[in-house]
Amino acid sequence: DAGVIQSPRHEVTEMGQEVTLRCKPISGHDYLFWYRQTMMRGLELLIYFNNNVPIDDSGMPEDRFSAKMPNASFSTLKIQPSEPRDSAVYFCASSLSSVLGEQYFGPGTRLTVT
Amino acid sequence: QKEVEQNSGPLSVPEGAIASLNCTYSDRVSQSFFWYRQYSGKSPELIMSIYSNGDKEDGRFTAQLNKASQYVSLLIRDSQPSDSATYLCAVNTGANNLFFGTGTRLTVIP
Repeated sequence: DAGVIQSPRHEVTEMGQEVTLRCKPISGHDYLFWYRQTMMRGLELLIYFNNNVPIDDSGMPEDRFSAKMPNASFSTLKIQPSEPRDSAVYFCASSLSSVLGEQYFGPGTRLTVT
Repeated sequence: QKEVEQNSGPLSVPEGAIASLNCTYSDRVSQSFFWYRQYSGKSPELIMSIYSNGDKEDGRFTAQLNKASQYVSLLIRDSQPSDSATYLCAVNTGANNLFFGTGTRLTVIP
């Protein structure tokens, strides 16, 4: 299996621009999670989906962030407009299990907003 | 109080020693507990999960859970330089939310 695939791996953008991060979960996994990791705040769960339906988005920091999962093999996390404080590594993870903790992480997207 | 707390370290142990990593959590009704390993510049990787009080062993790794005291620990026996990484504790709380600790950085000295 190819594992969780994320693109792009690195993104550098200017403040105010729209950023779209992409994720392909492991085939057959019915849970998908988006995380953000920074040195200051560690790993934070932003939102997760079950069978393409958003279940909990309480971790989404503000309205500038949105996530979609139009089908079982694709999800996007969009930031519009981006701000320097959004600079972080964004991970996507997927899981077969309804136990939230057993997840397979993608390689991450390192986002830098200047 | 944070939902999950870990000593950030760094924790340094000599090769061959036992490394002990600790984690405490605040939600008394938490049910599931996980340890992830994250190498520098890489993504987290699940190495252990534990659901009931006591010890769970997997190779050189032992997870220990004490729900009464609200702590979970990870022991690494015969530590190797390749074990040098950040170890993240994650807890699935009673409200079915998952929280990660900020991680403990472990360095195994050859």
